[in-house]
Amino acid sequence: QQQVKQSPQSLIVQKGGISIINCAYENTAFDYFPWYQQFPGKGPALLIAIRPDVSEKKEGRFTISFNKSAKQFSLHIMDSQPGDSATYFCAARTAGNFNKFYFGSGTKLNVKP
Amino acid sequence: DGGITQSPKYLFRKEGQNVTLSCEQNLNHDAMYWYRQDPGQGLRLIYYSQIVNDFQKGDIAEGYSVSREKKESFPLTVTSAQKNPTAFYLCASTPGTGSASPSSYGYTFGSGTRLTVV
Repeated sequence: QQQVKQSPQSLIVQKGGISIINCAYENTAFDYFPWYQQFPGKGPALLIAIRPDVSEKKEGRFTISFNKSAKQFSLHIMDSQPGDSATYFCAARTAGNFNKFYFGSGTKLNVKP
Repeated sequence: DGGITQSPKYLFRKEGQNVTLSCEQNLNHDAMYWYRQDPGQGLRLIYYSQIVNDFQKGDIAEGYSVSREKKESFPLTVTSAQKNPTAFYLCASTPGTGSASPSSYGYTFGSGTRLTVV
C-alpha cells in the first residue's frame, strides 16, 4: 500500500506556464513534507519542504500548498522553464526518532520551449 | 566539498552472483539509508542505519545485506537471493535521527548506482 500517492505520472507544460503536481496521504503522523527534484542519472535533491502547521511556502518560482484537513499537498512551479524538466518526488516523514520518509511514485515534467 | 559518493556508477551482475555497492559520506552524518528506485514506483527503503554497528531492515530488505563498521561508510550487498535486482540504487544520509532541528530533516542523496543483471 502506497503511503503517499502522487499525480500525474507525467506532465508536459509550455515554457512560462504553471506546473502543478499533487500528492495525497493518509497517515496523520507525518510531520514533514519535502519535494525532491531528480535529473536523469542523478540522485534526488531537496527542492522545498513544508511542515503541516503552514498552509503555503514559497521559494522563488516554487510553491508548496498544504491542505491539512484534506491531507493533500501540491507543488506549483511558476514560469516553468526547460531547465525545470526533471522528475519530481513528493515525500512525507514519519514523526518520531527516525527520519524515515515515504516517497510518491514521481512525476516526470517536460517543459517545452 | 561534502557529499555522498556512490560507486560504481554502473554495475553488471551475473545470475547467482553477489555484488557490493559502495556508499561513502564526508558530511559527518549519523544516519545512512539505502533506497531502491524502479520506474513508476518511487523510492523504496531497503536498509537504514542510525549509528555505527547498528542497522535495521526497511520495507524491501529481502535479498540484501548491509554493514556499518564506520560512520562514513554504508555498503550494500545485493545477494543472489534478490530475484529482481535490476534497479537504480540510491544511498542517502541525514545529520541526526532524533533532532528537532529543521536542518536535520531531508536527505542528502548520492548520485546512484545502476545495477543490471546480465
